[in-house]
Amino acid sequence: KAGVTQTPRYLIKTRGQQVTLSCSPISGHRSVSWYQQTPGQGLQFLFEYFSETQRNKGNFPGRFSGRQFSNSRSEMNVSTLELGDSALYLCASSLRQGDEKLFFGSGTQLSVL
Amino acid sequence: DAKTTQPPSMDCAEGRAANLPCNHSTISGNEYVYWYRQIHSQGPQYIIHGLKNNETNEMASLIITEDRKSSTLILPHATLRDTAVYYCIVRASYSGAGSYQLTFGKGTKLSVIP
Repeated sequence: KAGVTQTPRYLIKTRGQQVTLSCSPISGHRSVSWYQQTPGQGLQFLFEYFSETQRNKGNFPGRFSGRQFSNSRSEMNVSTLELGDSALYLCASSLRQGDEKLFFGSGTQLSVL
Repeated sequence: DAKTTQPPSMDCAEGRAANLPCNHSTISGNEYVYWYRQIHSQGPQYIIHGLKNNETNEMASLIITEDRKSSTLILPHATLRDTAVYYCIVRASYSGAGSYQLTFGKGTKLSVIP
């Protein structure tokens, strides 16, 4: 069974641009969560989607948004990029909302110049 | 969710058991202890979780003290591939509502030495 796939693996953007990151969960998994990882703040929860609806949201500004499609694939979007948005963005999937085990992808490394 | 305290780093000789401690003195009765690890350049990987009984799977063993205020993750025969950051997380069981994310701390950086 294929794992969680995130694309692209690396991305370089400049301040003010916007970016869309993609996540394909493990087949059959319906819940997708997004996390941001930086050296200073560690891993921080962004949001969780289940059945195409955002169920939970972390403490991030409205520039961070996401969505989930009917096939459970998810995208997250960051608008008006800032230097501080440089981070590893991780997607995790699970069979259902609140599942004990999360399966993480390898992440998208975003650099904002 | 209860806060956890872990040592920032530990070393372990290859082939020996690695014992990673975690303190969670404010844990509530419905909160589970989870362990994840993150190998460099990869996403976190689930290892094991438990409520109050000791647990064992193919990766590790989890020992939770009787008062549940601390736990130890045991990797019985550490290999170089076990070098990673290990996160101890405490989280309540899913109630069907409310916020339900994992809250990661800084974890313990385990270095397995040849």
